[in-house]
Amino acid sequence: GAGVSQSPSNKVTEKGKDVELRCDPISGHTALYWYRQSLGQGLEFLIYFQGNSAPDKSGLPSDRFSAERTGGSVSTLTIQRTQQEDSAVYLCASSLAVRGSPLHFGNGTRLTVT
Amino acid sequence: QKEVEQNSGPLSVPEGAIASLNCTYSDRVSQSFFWYRQYSGKSPELIMSIYSNGDKEDGRFTAQLNKASQYVSLLIRDSQPSDSATYLCAVAKNRDDKIIFGKGTRLHILP
Repeated sequence: GAGVSQSPSNKVTEKGKDVELRCDPISGHTALYWYRQSLGQGLEFLIYFQGNSAPDKSGLPSDRFSAERTGGSVSTLTIQRTQQEDSAVYLCASSLAVRGSPLHFGNGTRLTVT
Repeated sequence: QKEVEQNSGPLSVPEGAIASLNCTYSDRVSQSFFWYRQYSGKSPELIMSIYSNGDKEDGRFTAQLNKASQYVSLLIRDSQPSDSATYLCAVAKNRDDKIIFGKGTRLHILP
């Protein structure tokens, strides 16, 4: 079956511009995560959606970052007024959210802010 | 104290030897534990999951969990050069099942 799909795979933008990153999770997966990974670093948790519950936004690094999930499926991560330090790979993952269910990752979006 | 801690490495192991990767976690009531492998430039992929104290074996991989010590490990037997990657420990917190990752351990298998 189809896995987690992320688009675009690569995005180059100028400092100060807004960007939108899209994630299409595996059908039926109620949990959706966004992580950020800078070169050579670990996974930095950004935000977590679980069913109809309020999202856990505790990992968003600033108010320039926001995310939404429409209809319990597709999610969009928006970064406003991008800065060079936002350059990273943004990974989306989904799971069934049944206790113990592992995460399935997309291929990521590589964001470069020039 | 970080929620999930791993030695960043690099850990160098000769080909054919046993590689031992360790992880500790802070939330005592955590219930689910995962090991992911990440090759350079790729997304993480699940290797093992473990939920009960003791050992769980899958091929050359063995996950070990000790909840009393809040410790989970991954053993890789007969290490191969293709095992060279970063290994990420992940823990599902009890209350909301949010999955938290450690920083990862870089493993290098020496041919």
